[in-house]
Amino acid sequence: DQQVKQNSPSLSVQEGRISILNCDYTNSMFDYFLWYKKYPAEGPTFLISISSIKDKNEDGRFTVFLNKSAKHLSLHIVPSQPGDSAVYFCAAIKAAGNKLTFGGGTRVLVKP
Amino acid sequence: DADVTQTPRNRITKTGKRIMLECSQTKGHDRMYWYRQDPGLGLRLIYYSFDVKDINKGEISDGYSVSRQAQAKFSLSLESAIPNQTALYFCATSATTGNKDYGYTFGSGTRLTVV
Repeated sequence: DQQVKQNSPSLSVQEGRISILNCDYTNSMFDYFLWYKKYPAEGPTFLISISSIKDKNEDGRFTVFLNKSAKHLSLHIVPSQPGDSAVYFCAAIKAAGNKLTFGGGTRVLVKP
Repeated sequence: DADVTQTPRNRITKTGKRIMLECSQTKGHDRMYWYRQDPGLGLRLIYYSFDVKDINKGEISDGYSVSRQAQAKFSLSLESAIPNQTALYFCATSATTGNKDYGYTFGSGTRLTVV
């Protein structure tokens, strides 16, 4: 049973518009939530994270929102750029275990 | 040079063959991990090691084994490869103590095809 789910396998957005990626989780014991970005032929790279005690974290064009009651988080990219085209993975971790649990990924295509 | 190096980058092997994927790191991290990526399933943890002599099974360890030869080296073996082990395999490392990204560094991956 997947503890972290990304229900949208793909997303297409126009350059300059907002991209919204969603992620749901089932384990309320997760301490941190992270987003990773992956280009073809490369390994995932860290993008942004949020502690379970926060509801928002912003870093430049990237903002992550956490709704603990709904066990839901989202990543907003504003404005979207063609270089943002990649696969985005949502991940969660319990601090004590230090093992990342990943969602299935969302492929984002930003059209010029 | 990359912080986490995986070899080979691509491999095609036959069903029943034994194959080893290797990972080495220059990060100085104690913790190392092997994940596999399948479409729609994300990355799933196969094995992990928090130190030399420490080996732990992940969520999908059946059919795999690992060896932590040194702090910097963590290899993954498929004792008798089968077609459903065709996937993209990633090695990762992390620091002992957490920070905002938990210090995970991934290699570039090994694409394995079992025919």
